[in-house]
Amino acid sequence: DAGITQSPRHKVTETGTPVTLRCHQTENHRYMYWYRQDPGHGLRLIHYSYGVKDTDKGEVSDGYSVSRSKTEDFLLTLESATSSQTSVYFCAISVGIATDTQYFGPGTRLTVL
Amino acid sequence: SQQGEEDPQALSIQEGENATMNCSYKTSINNLQWYRQNSGRGLVHLILIRSNEREKHSGRLRVTLDTSKKSSSLLITASRAADTASYFCATDATQGGKLIFGQGTELSVKP
Repeated sequence: DAGITQSPRHKVTETGTPVTLRCHQTENHRYMYWYRQDPGHGLRLIHYSYGVKDTDKGEVSDGYSVSRSKTEDFLLTLESATSSQTSVYFCAISVGIATDTQYFGPGTRLTVL
Repeated sequence: SQQGEEDPQALSIQEGENATMNCSYKTSINNLQWYRQNSGRGLVHLILIRSNEREKHSGRLRVTLDTSKKSSSLLITASRAADTASYFCATDATQGGKLIFGQGTELSVKP
């Protein structure tokens, strides 16, 4: 699993509350990604990072923000959670260039009531 | 819009049979990758095939790539119950620098 951890692993929250998910890697890889996985939609890219303080939007970035102040940590924030953001969130890293093999964390199951 | 789309969406076979899954994509690619996901887990990389390659093997896995048809297939030979999982293809368009995942094929191998 390339030393990737995600926290929390499970979270239940209420609509309108802010939520922050953390992805931590132990190997100082440059590229990090946040995806969400929903039935019928597969895996969709939310945001990605190509270095400290360097981030960019993915396919489904509305309602999400990210920060990367250290190489090893990539944070995903739902500024005001909505029920449509109920999903399983996966963090991934790429060991080489952006489109090389990706290694995934174990996922965070988020439920927004 | 999805770059990669897998077919079939679900496949059920008996142990020992071969399983074939297909992936079609829309734009030119640098490489195509296959991943496996066991229930409740993160995706695990299986194999990467570059645009200038036509076939690649890894153990019981065989991947083919036909860039003229914009399609790839993943063959799992002599399947086992432990192969039960969802399988995803991912492509990197030559412009974009990101991987785009398909919706996956759900494989069930019955003992």
